[in-house]
Amino acid sequence: AQSVTQLGSHVSVSEGALVLLRCNYSSSVPPYLFWYVQYPNQGLQLLLKYTTGATLVKGINGFEAEFKKSETSFHLTKPSAHMSDAAEYFCAVSVRGSARQLTFGSGTQLTVLP
Amino acid sequence: NAGVTQTPKFQVLKTGQSMTLQCAQDMNHEYMSWYRQDPGMGLRLIHYSVGAGITDQGEVPNGYNVSRSTTEDFPLRLLSAAPSQTSVYFCASSPDGLGTGSYNEQFFGPGTRLTVL
Repeated sequence: AQSVTQLGSHVSVSEGALVLLRCNYSSSVPPYLFWYVQYPNQGLQLLLKYTTGATLVKGINGFEAEFKKSETSFHLTKPSAHMSDAAEYFCAVSVRGSARQLTFGSGTQLTVLP
Repeated sequence: NAGVTQTPKFQVLKTGQSMTLQCAQDMNHEYMSWYRQDPGMGLRLIHYSVGAGITDQGEVPNGYNVSRSTTEDFPLRLLSAAPSQTSVYFCASSPDGLGTGSYNEQFFGPGTRLTVL
């Protein structure tokens, strides 16, 4: 079975500063990895995903993440935070043949300070 | 396309009442699922379906029933609501039911916020 750990339930950054949200996963087979964003009172929206190939993946709104197999990590970064980035971010893992089941981390609430 | 739709958006129940949360998608997706979201716990899978007539349990299925009579609809039934079922419920769908092909994105509905008193 797979699992996801998100380090830091709350992260605060200043507008213009680097955003770094941490995600570590556990999986016995090669994983698919995802970052979702949830704005207040809304559903989840896919930010980016890693399936195969290039380990640095770029997503929407300037976010990117790097799959590091040796570290079992998939941290999310953005060079310069914007006020509109304030939201909750979820890391998730799935594996081939698991009928598309996603296992989510507990989420990280990002606050962007003016 | 409307995508994934959920009704109602909000619901308040008394302990012991039953109700059905509706989920529909118009993308002809094979895979549909229900998650519940609780503070500090992320989203947890309740039930899922890889196609019409096929359902299976997820991580937290107790107290919930599902059926999949059509490709489009995947209702979630609470048989006897309990305060522990107070949560936000999300429905999701994906084109590939069995997950054996290349990855296809899951699309989430807007959620139903349920309070059980």
